Amino acid sequence: AQRVTQPEKLLSVFKGAPVELKCNYSYSGSPELFWYVQYSRQRLQLLLRHISRESIKGFTADLNKGETSFHLKKPFAQEEDSAMYYCALSLPSSSASKIIFGSGTRLSIRP
Amino acid sequence: DTEVTQTPKHLVMGMTNKKSLKCEQHMGHRAMYWYKQKAKKPPELMFVYSYEKLSINESVPSRFSPECPNSSLLNLHLHALQPEDSALYLCASSQDSKRYNEQFFGPGTRLTVL
Repeated sequence: AQRVTQPEKLLSVFKGAPVELKCNYSYSGSPELFWYVQYSRQRLQLLLRHISRESIKGFTADLNKGETSFHLKKPFAQEEDSAMYYCALSLPSSSASKIIFGSGTRLSIRP
Repeated sequence: DTEVTQTPKHLVMGMTNKKSLKCEQHMGHRAMYWYKQKAKKPPELMFVYSYEKLSINESVPSRFSPECPNSSLLNLHLHALQPEDSALYLCASSQDSKRYNEQFFGPGTRLTVL
């Protein structure tokens, strides 16, 4: 079955420390993976997607098909990075694609 | 306009009421989505509309009835809901329903069923 797993419910790091939010997926086909973020009192929004291979707000994520992972990384955490982060897998279907979200990791950056 | 808007922000209804949630976007997107999000849980897909046609129904109970009157509007009609249906209902849109497209989310309607 298709699944997205985020093993950490909460991750707390000090400002300036490296951050890694883990994401593993279960899917037999070619994955389309995303990281969505929700800052306090803001709507859910896209952070980055693996197809773009870009760095957004200093975050990067590399797809590792061998380990079926798409971990989100940032070398130096900032206080404004505190938010809820969801890893998401887009699945094809006959007429439209759909997203399944991981359970989310709340990132808290301590000053 | 680059936002998805949802009305109302909050809704309280009894189990015998009929109400509707509304969602609107003016980005020219041709795919629209309804999600349900319970507290401390991720969003769960309910429905997908692609080019105004219902494309995915994730086995949602018939007390939830979606409607897409045109390419900019998406409604969710509610009837005879149960208290366990209380949740945040999110609307989203994307350029089309291709897998790699970003979804743009609205702020949600917080629904309480008494």
